[in-house]
Amino acid sequence: AQSVSQHNHHVILSEAASLELGCNYSYGGTVNLFWYVQYPGQHLQLLLKYFSGDPLVKGIKGFEAEFIKSKFSFNLRKPSVQWSDTAEYFCAVISTGGFKTIFGAGTRLFVKA
Amino acid sequence: DAGVTQSPTHLIKTRGQQVTLRCSPKSGHDTVSWYQQALGQGPQFIFQYYEEEERQRGNFPDRFSGHQFPNYSSELNVNALLLGDSALYLCASSLYMSALNTEAFFGQGTRLTVV
Repeated sequence: AQSVSQHNHHVILSEAASLELGCNYSYGGTVNLFWYVQYPGQHLQLLLKYFSGDPLVKGIKGFEAEFIKSKFSFNLRKPSVQWSDTAEYFCAVISTGGFKTIFGAGTRLFVKA
Repeated sequence: DAGVTQSPTHLIKTRGQQVTLRCSPKSGHDTVSWYQQALGQGPQFIFQYYEEEERQRGNFPDRFSGHQFPNYSSELNVNALLLGDSALYLCASSLYMSALNTEAFFGQGTRLTVV
């Protein structure tokens, strides 16, 4: 069965610190990968996505993620976080031939001003 | 351009009751998926509707059922509610034929509390 693992459930950073959130998935075939963000009181929004091509994907608000196929990983990074990045981040995968999105358990990021 | 809208936003029900949640997809989308997000967890796939038929289903009991209407809107029904059904129910819409190359757009969810 497909699954998505997010390594950190809670992360606390100070503003300007660098961020890396880990994500690993289990599926042997071709996948499409996503990072979603849920700001307090708001709905899930797409941060970035990978379908094919350059494994380094850039998203909104300075976020980027790198797809490493050999490691089944899709880690999210940001060089310098801001207080407004406080939110919950979800890694997700859709497998080829399937249409349901499988989500990880989420990582709650709190950025101290 | 209207995004995904869900109603109601909050709901309180008693154990054993039945509930119906509603979703209108983003304009131009034809596929609706439903997810359950329990507190502290990621969304769990319930099922997906396209062309008024259930196309895929997650690991949820038959108490969870749905419907899609000709205008692509959808309902999620839960019978014989249990305390454990308390969660945020999310609706997501997408385009079926491009599902491999697009993302789902989510509504704000319906917060269901079973007491």
